[in-house]
Amino acid sequence: QKEVEQNSGPLSVPEGAIASLNCTYSDRGSQSFFWYRQYSGKSPELIMFIYSNGDKEDGRFTAQLNKASQYVSLLIRDSQPSDSATYLCAVIRNSGGYQKVTFGTGTKLQVIP
Amino acid sequence: KAGVTQTPRYLIKTRGQQVTLSCSPISGHRSVSWYQQTPGQGLQFLFEYFSETQRNKGNFPGRFSGRQFSNSRSEMNVSTLELGDSALYLCASSLVGGQYEQYFGPGTRLTVT
Repeated sequence: QKEVEQNSGPLSVPEGAIASLNCTYSDRGSQSFFWYRQYSGKSPELIMFIYSNGDKEDGRFTAQLNKASQYVSLLIRDSQPSDSATYLCAVIRNSGGYQKVTFGTGTKLQVIP
Repeated sequence: KAGVTQTPRYLIKTRGQQVTLSCSPISGHRSVSWYQQTPGQGLQFLFEYFSETQRNKGNFPGRFSGRQFSNSRSEMNVSTLELGDSALYLCASSLVGGQYEQYFGPGTRLTVT
C-alpha cells in the first residue's frame, strides 16, 4: 500500500462544475496535509493546507480532512479551464523524531469549456 | 517579494560527472528543502536545511549532498552522476520550517547522458 494515494485521472469536469479530488494516506499518525497545483512544465504551487478535521475554505477551494477515514479531499467550485492542472496531495508525519513528507503522484484535472 | 530562484534552469551532464545546483529562498525564509521529481517516482524529498544545518533527510544515497550559507542560499551537489539522476530538481523555501507551507522554485532540469 502506498503511503499517499491519489487517482491519477484524468478527471474531466465541465466548466462551472465542482471538481472533487481525493487523497488517502496510510499512516494514522499523519498530522498535516497540503494541496499543491502543478501546471504542465511548471513547479508545484501551494493552494491549501489543513491540519484539523473538518472543512477549510479559501475562495473557490475547500479542503476536507477526515482523520478517522484517513482521507483528505479538495473541492474546487465553479471550475475554470485555468484550473486544469495536476493536483498533488502532500502528507507530513513524524518518523523517528523527524518529520517525513510524502507526496502523492497527483491527479490530473481537465476542465472542459 | 521575489520568489524562490534556482540556477541553472537546464543542465546536461555526462555519467560520472558531478553537478552543483543553486537555490535562493524567499527573503526571510531560513528553511530550504530539495526535491527530485521524475515521471515514475513523483516528487521525492531529498533534504532540508535550516540556518545552515541539515535538519531532515530523505532516502537518497550519499552521492546527493547539500549545504546552506549564512544568507540562506542553498546548494545541492550530486556526484558520480547516473542516468537515473535525470530529473527535475526543485527547491522550496518555508518561513515556518519543515515541509510546511512551502514555496517552490522553478526547478533545474538535469539530463544525464
